[in-house]
Amino acid sequence: KQEVTQIPAALSVPEGENLVLNCSFTDSAIYNLQWFRQDPGKGLTSLLLIQSSQREQTSGRLNASLDKSSGRSTLYIAASQPGDSATYLCAVPLGGANSKLTFGKGITLSVRP
Amino acid sequence: DTAVSQTPKYLVTQMGNDKSIKCEQNLGHDTMYWYKQDSKKFLKIMFSYNNKELIINETVPNRFSPKSPDKAHLNLHINSLELGDSAVYFCASSQQGGGEAFFGQGTRLTVV
Repeated sequence: KQEVTQIPAALSVPEGENLVLNCSFTDSAIYNLQWFRQDPGKGLTSLLLIQSSQREQTSGRLNASLDKSSGRSTLYIAASQPGDSATYLCAVPLGGANSKLTFGKGITLSVRP
Repeated sequence: DTAVSQTPKYLVTQMGNDKSIKCEQNLGHDTMYWYKQDSKKFLKIMFSYNNKELIINETVPNRFSPKSPDKAHLNLHINSLELGDSAVYFCASSQQGGGEAFFGQGTRLTVV
């Protein structure tokens, strides 16, 4: 059974800091890993999708890495801004027709001005 | 143009009522899902449909019944609503095989 863990549950940093959010998963047989952002009272916005054959993916100030063998992924946010404050979730599918996502509990990030 | 849209956004209803939440996706995906986010913000899969066929039913009470009239729509019907059904329900879609998943804005269901 796949389990996804995100620690810590909450993080508060001053504006401008570079930061790393961690995600670990127990079953390394994944097709990809997806990072989402959720603002309070809103839906999930897909940030980055890393295929199992990739080691990293970049979008603007975001960089996500994937190490399947160790069951880990990190989301790097450069030069954090107050607008980055949100909950960040990572999720992995089992693949095939059974593509349900198993989510971590998320990391609630607060970037202080 | 919204990729995955669900209605209504908010739903307040009394215990015992029957309600439906609708979901539509315009991405051409062949797999759609319903997830439940509980009060602790944990997201958990409820149902998965692939080409209108039920693939996953994750130990959800049979008061919950998904219905998929076509590939682009997956509705969720809930009978005899209970207080514990209060949560945010998210619809999502992806291509079969673990493609990128896109989520709707969520429906906040409150049972009073």
